[in-house]
Amino acid sequence: KQEVTQIPAALSVPEGENLVLNCSFTDSAIYNLQWFRQDPGKGLTSLLLIQSSQREQTSGRLNASLDKSSGRSTLYIAASQPGDSATYLCAVYNQGGKLIFGQGTELSVKP
Amino acid sequence: DAGVTQSPTHLIKTRGQHVTLRCSPISGHKSVSWYQQVLGQGPQFIFQYYEKEERGRGNFPDRFSARQFPNYSSELNVNALLLGDSALYLCASSLDRGPTEAFFGQGTRLTVV
Repeated sequence: KQEVTQIPAALSVPEGENLVLNCSFTDSAIYNLQWFRQDPGKGLTSLLLIQSSQREQTSGRLNASLDKSSGRSTLYIAASQPGDSATYLCAVYNQGGKLIFGQGTELSVKP
Repeated sequence: DAGVTQSPTHLIKTRGQHVTLRCSPISGHKSVSWYQQVLGQGPQFIFQYYEKEERGRGNFPDRFSARQFPNYSSELNVNALLLGDSALYLCASSLDRGPTEAFFGQGTRLTVV
């Protein structure tokens, strides 16, 4: 059974700092991996989708990597801003398109 | 283009009642999935529908049911509501049933009292 874990559960950093969020999964036979952002009480906003054949994806200040063999993905945020404060969720796809989520990392960026 | 739309955005129900949540996928998307997110947790898969047929079901009781209509919109029904059903219910649409990118709606916040 696939399990997804995100560490840390919460993170507080000063504005401008570079940071890394971690995601691990137990079964390396994943199809795609996706990072989402969730603001309090809101839906999910897609940040980056990494296909199973890819090693990383970049969008602006965000970079996500994928290492299937070790069952890990990281989301790197450069030059963090208070507007980056949110919960970040990692999810892996199974063959049928079902998403298995981690519990999220709650990020707070202090001005 | 409109994204995934869900209605209502919030509702309050009493234990034992029934609720229907609605979702309209992105135009051209044929697959709709439902997820439940309780406070402080990641979303949990409930159902996937593709071409009006159930293609996947998570570990939820039979009180939960869903359907997909010819226009690919979907309804999630929950009978005999329990306090523990209080959660954010998320709908996701994707082009097909495989591991293609999912796009989420803003969710329906259900509170059972």
